[in-house]
Amino acid sequence: NAGVMQNPRHLVRRRGQEARLRCSPMKGHSHVYWYRQLPEEGLKFMVYLQKENIIDESGMPKERFSAEFPKEGPSILRIQQVVRGDSAAYFCASSFLTSGDATDTQYFGPGTRLTVL
Amino acid sequence: AQSVSQHNHHVILSEAASLELGCNYSYGGTVNLFWYVQYPGQHLQLLLKYFSGDPLVKGIKGFEAEFIKSKFSFNLRKPSVQWSDTAEYFCAVDSNTGKLIFGQGTTLQVKP
Repeated sequence: NAGVMQNPRHLVRRRGQEARLRCSPMKGHSHVYWYRQLPEEGLKFMVYLQKENIIDESGMPKERFSAEFPKEGPSILRIQQVVRGDSAAYFCASSFLTSGDATDTQYFGPGTRLTVL
Repeated sequence: AQSVSQHNHHVILSEAASLELGCNYSYGGTVNLFWYVQYPGQHLQLLLKYFSGDPLVKGIKGFEAEFIKSKFSFNLRKPSVQWSDTAEYFCAVDSNTGKLIFGQGTTLQVKP
């Protein structure tokens, strides 16, 4: 069973360009989470999505950042007009929640390291 | 706001030494607790988790953690570390929201 897949693994952008990060959850998982890890810091929650729905985006910056998880295809984290402060590792996780509202284990992908020049 | 604190940022041990990494959280309600490990060049992997039941949780590779509700703690332990345990360790907490709150991480270096 393939794990969570993220691509690209490394992404270099110049200031002002757009960055698109992709995440394919584990087979059977319908919940996706994005986290950001800035240098010398722990992972910070950004957004939680189910298929075609944003459940919690309380950790997303108000501008330039957006996320989606369409019915078909991977989840996309999009950063418009990148700035140097966006340089970080972006991790995606997925989980399979049974009926009810209990948390299930999140399984992480290898991350995308974004460098903004 | 919830927060997670890992007191040890960098730990250096010799092989066969015992390990205890501290983790404290601030949240008064029901929590789910996790320890993740990130080996050099690899992605985060789950070491162990606590949802309910026995507060002493056993994970992979000989690790265990104890949930002490009165102390808001979930410390990670291993009786005898190996060189291959060199990695970064993250404690995380979730209050049934799906949103993991991570500590800053502890870098463990085991000397052969």
